[in-house]
Parts: sequence; C-alpha cells; structure tokens
Amino acid sequence: DTEVTQTPKHLVMGMTNKKSLKCEQHMGHRAMYWYKQKAKKPPELMFVYSYEKLSINESVPSRFSPECPNSSLLNLHLHALQPEDSALYLCASSQVELETQYFGPGTRLLVL
Amino acid sequence: AQSVTQLGSHVSVSEGALVLLRCNYSSSVPPYLFWYVQYPNQGLQLLLKYTSAATLVKGINGFEAEFKKSETSFHLTKPSAHMSDAAEYFCAVKFSGGGNKLTFGTGTQLKVEL
Repeated sequence: DTEVTQTPKHLVMGMTNKKSLKCEQHMGHRAMYWYKQKAKKPPELMFVYSYEKLSINESVPSRFSPECPNSSLLNLHLHALQPEDSALYLCASSQVELETQYFGPGTRLLVL
Repeated sequence: AQSVTQLGSHVSVSEGALVLLRCNYSSSVPPYLFWYVQYPNQGLQLLLKYTSAATLVKGINGFEAEFKKSETSFHLTKPSAHMSDAAEYFCAVKFSGGGNKLTFGTGTQLKVEL
C-alpha cells in the first residue's frame, strides 16, 4: 500500500481565515513533505519533516505553519493567506533511507 | 549547478504511436532518477525510478526508461500510446548530497490524438 491521503480535497478561504490541511500515511515512512504547485508548473518544495523534526524550510512565509504531531500525520496551518497562495498543495512521504517519494492527491486551495 | 531539463513542454502523438519524453540532468555523480505522471486535478503518481541498479527500468502502464550515464539522460518511452496516457509528466532527480530533496523538471504535457 503506497497511499498518502489528504483532506480536504478543496478549500476556499478568505484572507483573514485560519484553516489547516491534513496529510496522513500508514506506510511507516519517517519523512514527510509539503509542496506547493501552481498551474502548469512543477511542485515546489516547502517543508520536509524527518523523524517528526523539521529538517528543511524552503524560506516559506510564516503565514504557513507546518506541524508533525506523529510519524503518520502532517498538518499545514494557514493564516492570513494572500490570493497568490492559491494553488494545489501536495503532501508526500518516503522512507528516510530510500529515495522514493509517494504523493497524495493534493488539496486545491483558493484564497479570496 | 545541478539541474534537470525536460525538452519539449508539449508533445503530441497519435494513438498507437511511440511515446518519447526527454529528460537530461547535469551532475558529475549519477543521481537517483524518477518519472512521475500527473492527471488533471490529481496528485503525482510514480511511474518508475532508477536507483543505480539496472539501467533499463520498467514501470507501470507499459512505460520504461533507460539511464544513459554518458548522455546524462533518462528518457521515458512507451511503444504504443493510448488515449489514457494524456497527462503531465515530470522527471525528478535526487542529486548526491541533496538530502531528501527532489529537483523537478518543468514537465511535459503529453497529448494523444486519434
């Protein structure tokens, strides 16, 4: 089973709202990732968690706040977003020792 | 600098024809290489990967790719295109010393025509 699940599938929020994206995997992977993907572009790495610790932050604005409560779960907390933050947000996971990342279906976010 | 290049942002083939999507990387050390496919409004699905074993890699849905060190290439092929192959294809590379980071190519949109 190589399934990564993400909720919600779609999210519409105003610039003053606070919302959260959720990602879950039960493959025993110890690395989890958040990517942002704009239309017709490749995914851009935002954050990497390795063994529940933040290992990479690609200079992402503080209005995006990641959280890894346990080895199976990854959240992305959103606050005071801008319309340009509208995108597909993808979660992925991998074994730390191996290199293959498995992606979830994504959350399509629209900021009004 | 280490980079990934996908030649051709759009490729169009007839149903039943050969599919060839190109990927080149720049690195002196052979990296790990991946092809992902993305259907509209979906996430990325792993097609195949090269991790220093056999140079000809077979993946899902009849796709395969050959790692050529001398050409620093990892082109994706399928002998006979099907309408269901229409999607965006991304080549991705994990460079040596790059940790868990994947570097993606800009993607190739494959169109399959009747």
